[in-house]
Amino acid sequence: TQLLEQSPQFLSIQEGENLTVYCNSSSVFSSLQWYRQEPGEGPVLLVTVVTGGEVKKLKRLTFQFGDARKDSSLHITAAQPGDTGLYLCAGTGIQGAQKLVFGQGTRLTINP
Amino acid sequence: NAGVTQTPKFRILKIGQSMTLQCAQDMNHNYMYWYRQDPGMGLKLIYYSVGAGITDKGEVPNGYNVSRSTTEDFPLRLELAAPSQTSVYFCASSYRQGIYEQYFGPGTRLTVT
Repeated sequence: TQLLEQSPQFLSIQEGENLTVYCNSSSVFSSLQWYRQEPGEGPVLLVTVVTGGEVKKLKRLTFQFGDARKDSSLHITAAQPGDTGLYLCAGTGIQGAQKLVFGQGTRLTINP
Repeated sequence: NAGVTQTPKFRILKIGQSMTLQCAQDMNHNYMYWYRQDPGMGLKLIYYSVGAGITDKGEVPNGYNVSRSTTEDFPLRLELAAPSQTSVYFCASSYRQGIYEQYFGPGTRLTVT
């Protein structure tokens, strides 16, 4: 069974600070996605990374896929209250049916 | 477009009761999924379907059943509800599996007492 571990599980910081969220596994994934979930809503896709070492930027958010495709990180620069939410990483295995495996999530709170 | 819709939004069941959670999508996606989300546990796949008439078990299928008679609809049936099935249930759809985005509905919050 492929598992994804996210850290930290909870993070509360002040507006303007930088932060990094990690998504780690002992398994190799063919691709990795990051979703953001607001209270009372379903997750919404932020980015998909497919190549080892790939870096993608979405405004103040930077996503990186590890060289060995076993881990990923999400870095937020100058966090804003609107970044508050649950961030989920999800990976697609390299063998068998390509179902998504989700991490347990990082609940991020940005205080004004 | 409505995307993925789910009904009901909230439901309270007594132990042993049954119910069906409805899910519909209007994006003509072949792939549809049911997940449950427990606090601090991320999303766990219950069942999925790769097209009308084809369904398969996910990670946590026990206590649930699904059917897929049309491309648009993918209902989830709970038989003999148990407290362990208290959770938030999300339906999702995608064009294909793998790198393709999954579109999620707003969820159904179910409490079994």
